[in-house]
Amino acid sequence: DAGVIQSPRHEVTEMGQEVTLRCKPISGHDYLFWYRQTMMRGLELLIYFNNNVPIDDSGMPEDRFSAKMPNASFSTLKIQPSEPRDSAVYFCASSQNRGNTIYFGEGSWLTVV
Amino acid sequence: LAKTTQPISMDSYEGQEVNITCSHNNIATNDYITWYQQFPSQGPRFIIQGYKTKVTNEVASLFIPADRKSSTLSLPRVSLSDTAVYYCLVGGGDNFNKFYFGSGTKLNVKP
Repeated sequence: DAGVIQSPRHEVTEMGQEVTLRCKPISGHDYLFWYRQTMMRGLELLIYFNNNVPIDDSGMPEDRFSAKMPNASFSTLKIQPSEPRDSAVYFCASSQNRGNTIYFGEGSWLTVV
Repeated sequence: LAKTTQPISMDSYEGQEVNITCSHNNIATNDYITWYQQFPSQGPRFIIQGYKTKVTNEVASLFIPADRKSSTLSLPRVSLSDTAVYYCLVGGGDNFNKFYFGSGTKLNVKP
């Protein structure tokens, strides 16, 4: 099993630019999660999907953030426009069903300058 | 919401058994207790999960008292490579939004 695959692994962008992070969940997993990790706030759940449908996006910080899951094998997290305070590691994760374990990707390290 | 409280950090020496306790006073009936391990520059990795009593796998043991208001992760004979942050989570039963990671416990294993 290839695990959760995220891209890019590292991105440096200028303030105001659009950033798109990509995720391929583990095949057969019904749940997909986007987390953000910073030193100050730790790991925060931004949004999660069930069967490609967004279930809870209450963790999305503001309208500049959007996430989509057009099919069972692909999701994107978009930040437009990006700001320096968006600098963080963004993790995608997937799970087979409720109560089951969550498998994380290696993260996308975003730096906005 | 079932938030968790863990020690911020712990020190240990190679070969010792390490026990990390997590408090979760507001755990809901359907909540599971799950522990994750995170190394620098990597995503969290599942260690063990339980609902009640004791669970053991090849990596660790998880002890859960009858009231389920706390849990203890036990790592037998730690090595330097066990130096990591360990997170206790409760949730997953009804709503994944309850999967709060908290600040975790930074375990430092010394030679």
